[in-house]
Amino acid sequence: KAGVTQTPRYLIKTRGQQVTLSCSPISGHRSVSWYQQTPGQGLQFLFEYFSETQRNKGNFPGRFSGRQFSNSRSEMNVSTLELGDSALYLCASRLGTANTEAFFGQGTRLTVV
Amino acid sequence: SQQGEEDPQALSIQEGENATMNCSYKTSINNLQWYRQNSGRGLVHLILIRSNEREKHSGRLRVTLDTSKKSSSLLITASRAADTASYFCATGLVQKLVFGQGTRLTINP
Repeated sequence: KAGVTQTPRYLIKTRGQQVTLSCSPISGHRSVSWYQQTPGQGLQFLFEYFSETQRNKGNFPGRFSGRQFSNSRSEMNVSTLELGDSALYLCASRLGTANTEAFFGQGTRLTVV
Repeated sequence: SQQGEEDPQALSIQEGENATMNCSYKTSINNLQWYRQNSGRGLVHLILIRSNEREKHSGRLRVTLDTSKKSSSLLITASRAADTASYFCATGLVQKLVFGQGTRLTINP
């Protein structure tokens, strides 16, 4: 069974640009969540999608957005990049029902210069 | 703000010793999960314990949960060099996970 796949693994962008990150969940999983990890703030929840609908959103500015496709693949977009957006972005896949574990991808390391 | 708080923030022990990490949280939970992260990579799920469970085992891992104290502990027995990693607890109320800051565990040969 293939795991969660995130692409690209590494990305360098310039301040002001936008970026799109991709996540392919485990086959059969309908819930995809996104997290940002930085040394200062730790792991922070961005948003969660289930069956193409955003079910939950963290406390991030509107520059951070996402979507989920009918095949459960998800993308997140960050517009007008700031230096502080440099982070490891992690995607997690779940079946979507309560009390089920989340399986994480290897992450996308975004560096904003 | 973080829901879970791990203690200690860093732990260094000799190979073969047991390692215990603690997690405290603030609000009611449906379950609590422990994850491991090796140096800037993705998180690996270790154990999920439900709010009506008190103890759970998986190989060399033992997790306890005390909902009255809002705390959990992770015990790794007979530690190995490969256990060197950061360990996070996460609570799963609603459809998102809220992580603590993690415990950095170093196993010395």
